[in-house]
Amino acid sequence: AQSVTQLDSHVSVSEGTPVLLRCNYSSSYSPSLFWYVQHPNKGLQLLLKYTSAATLVKGINGFEAEFKKSETSFHLTKPSAHMSDAAEYFCVVSELGAAGNKLTFGGGTRVLVKP
Amino acid sequence: DGGITQSPKYLFRKEGQNVTLSCEQNLNHDAMYWYRQDPGQGLRLIYYSQIVNDFQKGDIAEGYSVSREKKESFPLTVTSAQKNPTAFYLCASSVDPNQPQHFGDGTRLSIL
Repeated sequence: AQSVTQLDSHVSVSEGTPVLLRCNYSSSYSPSLFWYVQHPNKGLQLLLKYTSAATLVKGINGFEAEFKKSETSFHLTKPSAHMSDAAEYFCVVSELGAAGNKLTFGGGTRVLVKP
Repeated sequence: DGGITQSPKYLFRKEGQNVTLSCEQNLNHDAMYWYRQDPGQGLRLIYYSQIVNDFQKGDIAEGYSVSREKKESFPLTVTSAQKNPTAFYLCASSVDPNQPQHFGDGTRLSIL
């Protein structure tokens, strides 16, 4: 069975400083991994995805994530936070099964950006 | 612009009443999904459909029903059997089950 743990439920950063959102996963097979962002009362928007190509994945809005198989981690980073980055972020693992891909969501990390 | 439209944005249900949440997509996606999101939690899968006229139960299907009569539409009915229906409901679609999902803006359901 697959699972996803987002290690911080809340992260607070100052504008212009780096952001680090931590995600660890467990999976029986080689998974696909995603990060999604959700702004208040909105749906989820895909930031980036890892699908067994390059281990360093670049996404939209300056975000990137590194897949580390030995650590079963897929942490999300951004060098310089912007006020518009205040949102909730979800790490998602996907495994291919008999009925297609099954997505498992982490519990989310809420990011607060201080001016 | 292509996308997923969920309606209404806010919905109120009386005790013992069934309500239906609408989800329409014009992305020509085969696969569609319904999720429930509770405060401070990730998303949990209610139902999914890989193709028209076919759907499967997800992890928390009890108290819900769906239909998939058209490719672009995947309505969710929250029945009176769902004892704790207050939540944010998200609909998603993908080209096929192996591709990333695109999400609508959600419907917030509350009990009167």
